[in-house]
Amino acid sequence: DTEVTQTPKHLVMGMTNKKSLKCEQHMGHRAMYWYKQKAKKPPELMFVYSYEKLSINESVPSRFSPECPNSSLLNLHLHALQPEDSALYLCASSQMGGQAGGYTFGSGTRLTVV
Amino acid sequence: AQTVTQSQPEMSVQEAETVTLSCTYDTSESDYYLFWYKQPPSRQMILVIRQEAYKQQNATENRFSVNFQKAAKSFSLKISDSQLGDAAMYFCAYRRFLDNYGQNFVFGPGTRLSVLP
Repeated sequence: DTEVTQTPKHLVMGMTNKKSLKCEQHMGHRAMYWYKQKAKKPPELMFVYSYEKLSINESVPSRFSPECPNSSLLNLHLHALQPEDSALYLCASSQMGGQAGGYTFGSGTRLTVV
Repeated sequence: AQTVTQSQPEMSVQEAETVTLSCTYDTSESDYYLFWYKQPPSRQMILVIRQEAYKQQNATENRFSVNFQKAAKSFSLKISDSQLGDAAMYFCAYRRFLDNYGQNFVFGPGTRLSVLP
């Protein structure tokens, strides 16, 4: 299995809702990432998990809450989002930094906050 | 901090022709990796090609090849025999040789490639 699976593919939520994005990989990768991508822009790093521990948090607002229950799963919990949080949210996984491989990305969740 | 620049926001190429996308980067490190990722309208980021800075030989993957000029900090992507399926946003990315935490990428702003039939 060489895929990163993200669910749901599309999500529309109100500003008072609570929702979660899910990401799963079975490649044995020990690093997993959340990126946010606005239209026509490159992805922006939000969080990095290494060996299921949060290792990088790029000053993301607390309305985004990541969780890594095990080495194959990564969640992003959403609460009280703003319309400007509407974006494509990409999950990725990789081997650890000492190895040559790049990221494997999921196909993303298109989030719309209304 | 490292930066990646792609000076061509948009490019177009005729089907079956060759196109080159440019990328320059800035770093003080001597060992690192460079990547080209493709993002079609389906949204998924797909790895196109990878170059290790300590290797002088330019990487190739089928119709895709790079021109890596380490001294000039340039990393261009050449697509030969362009196909309609090559139409996408292309991102150049830099990665440090060794990160203590996963792999931390720096992406360029992207070049949107159109392929004309």
